Parts: sequence; structure tokens; C-alpha cells
Amino acid sequence: GENVEQHPSTLSVQEGDSAVIKCTYSDSASNYFPWYKQELGKGPQLIIDIRSNVGEKKDQRIAVTLNKTAKHFSLHITETQPEDSAVYFCAASITPGTYKYIFGTGTRLKVLA
Amino acid sequence: NAGVTQTPKFRILKIGQSMTLQCTQDMNHNYMYWYRQDPGMGLKLIYYSVGAGITDKGEVPNGYNVSRSTTEDFPLRLELAAPSQTSVYFCASSYGTSEDEQFFGPGTRLTVL
Repeated sequence: GENVEQHPSTLSVQEGDSAVIKCTYSDSASNYFPWYKQELGKGPQLIIDIRSNVGEKKDQRIAVTLNKTAKHFSLHITETQPEDSAVYFCAASITPGTYKYIFGTGTRLKVLA
Repeated sequence: NAGVTQTPKFRILKIGQSMTLQCTQDMNHNYMYWYRQDPGMGLKLIYYSVGAGITDKGEVPNGYNVSRSTTEDFPLRLELAAPSQTSVYFCASSYGTSEDEQFFGPGTRLTVL
């Protein structure tokens, strides 16, 4: 079945450094790839997304890249700050029109001050 | 707008008991979803609905039931609680297609003993 693998499961970086989280998906029909941030005790919140007709998207300190050939997409956070500490989930849409995502298993990011 | 609200926040059940997790959204979204999140795992889709009166199974529907009598409400029913249903449950909603942002509620932490 469809699957999304996410690495690493935990990531610690010094404040000001960059963080990269990588995901691989299996469904070649996937065409939408959102990234969610989940803070402790809260529900996930969308931080950035990318569609299959775009290779890269940037929003201030965060960026997402997509390689459809390799079925890889990555989240890049630059100039990390303590408030970036959270769990990050990638997701991929399942066959267009099914209204469903497959989520990765999450990456716990710790930004050390 | 309150967004997506869920009640209760926490609940402890005994094996065999039943309960309903409530979910309400005030964004006039057509699509609503129930996920469960187990430690170290991503979100797994339990059930979803594309509109009032229409529901369908997700990846892990066994042991759960849903109904959608109004656009706003999407309750999740556990009939015979089992320890395997110990999890954090999230309700989400979106406007339309699989490429729309899903907005998540704050979650319900359920423990079955």
C-alpha cells in the first residue's frame, strides 16, 4: 500500500543552524505534499505545502523541495530559533480526488539555545 | 472563528465501555476527518466525510463508527473500548479537495484500561 517514510526521527541543532527533514513517498500519483508542525499538546498546523508542478517553494525561513522522479521531498528550516522546537510531519496526497493523506512518522526537532 | 473544536480533552475508559468523541467546525468545510496518533507514529485516518450524510472508511476503521448529520459536526463513536484504542484522536476539516489545507482540532487523549 501507499507509504511515506520520514527521516530522521529526532534532530537536535544549535540555534541559528539549519535543519533538514526528508521524506520519501511510494504513490506515484501523489501530487500534493504538505508539512505540518505539532507543538506539545496541540493539533498539527500546516506550515508549508508544495504541489507536484513545482520543484521548490519558500516562505521566509522555511522551504520545501520536491523531486518527483526520485519521489523525495524535504523541509529546510534556516536560522533556527527555540520556537521552532516541535514535531514535524510530512504527508502525501493519495491518488487525486480521494481527499486523503498518508502521513510520515514525524521528526522531533530540538533547537538548543 | 473557533476553528475545529474537540471534546473532551482527556478521558479514561474501562475495557468494554463506550463513548463518543465530539468534533465541531465553524468554517463551513465540506470535508471532515478523524485520525488517531500513536506514540512515535504518524497520523492514521480512521474515517472521513465529504459532506453531510456521507462517510467512508480510512486506514484503521475497525472498532469505530461515525455519523455526519450536519456540516458542522462529525462525532466518532467507540462501542466496546479496547486497550488498543488508547491513543490521541484528532479531528480535522478541509474545504474541498485533497489539495486543501486540513485544519486540526486540539485532540482528545483517550486511555483504555
